[in-house]
Amino acid sequence: AQSVTQPDIHITVSEGASLELRCNYSYGATPYLFWYVQSPGQGLQLLLKYFSGDTLVQGIKGFEAEFKRSQSSFNLRKPSVHWSDAAEYFCAVGALGGSQGNLIFGKGTKLSVKP
Amino acid sequence: EPEVTQTPSHQVTQMGQEVILRCVPISNHLYFYWYRQILGQKVEFLVSFYNNEISEKSEIFDDQFSVERPDGSNFTLKIRSTKLEDSAMYFCASSGGTVNQPQHFGDGTRLSIL
Repeated sequence: AQSVTQPDIHITVSEGASLELRCNYSYGATPYLFWYVQSPGQGLQLLLKYFSGDTLVQGIKGFEAEFKRSQSSFNLRKPSVHWSDAAEYFCAVGALGGSQGNLIFGKGTKLSVKP
Repeated sequence: EPEVTQTPSHQVTQMGQEVILRCVPISNHLYFYWYRQILGQKVEFLVSFYNNEISEKSEIFDDQFSVERPDGSNFTLKIRSTKLEDSAMYFCASSGGTVNQPQHFGDGTRLSIL
């Protein structure tokens, strides 16, 4: 069955520290992978996506993610966290473009940032 | 940057009543979606819509639900005879018609059933 696992429900980091949010997936075909961020009361904003090519993808707000097929992972990283990064982060797997199907989301990781 | 817009931001309805959630997708997008997120749970796919018909739907999307694109800009989700368990955040999303175009989401409508 297709699924996405985000093993960390809540992470707290200090401002300026590095961040890594974990995501593992199970998908029958070649996955297309996404990270979305949700600030309180807001919708889901796309941070970055992977569909082919270079396994290290850059996104907005200084985030990057690395696709590791052998580990079925797509972890999100940021070298230096800002207080404004406090939000909930969702990893998702699905298809891109055309008659794409639905996105399958993980349960999310809530990020808190300490001053 | 173009956005997906949803109205209202919060809808409160009595159990058993019908609600219509409205979405204006990004103007040149061809695929439209509804998802929901029950409080504390993951975002779940409901339905996708293309070329004026449903292209895929989940088990959640039963006869209580329907979608419509009544004109060239709006995309609506109707929930008939609402139940307490329909309380959730409902997200609309849209995507373009070519490869490598991800889904873009609106800010959601929080539906509260009393």
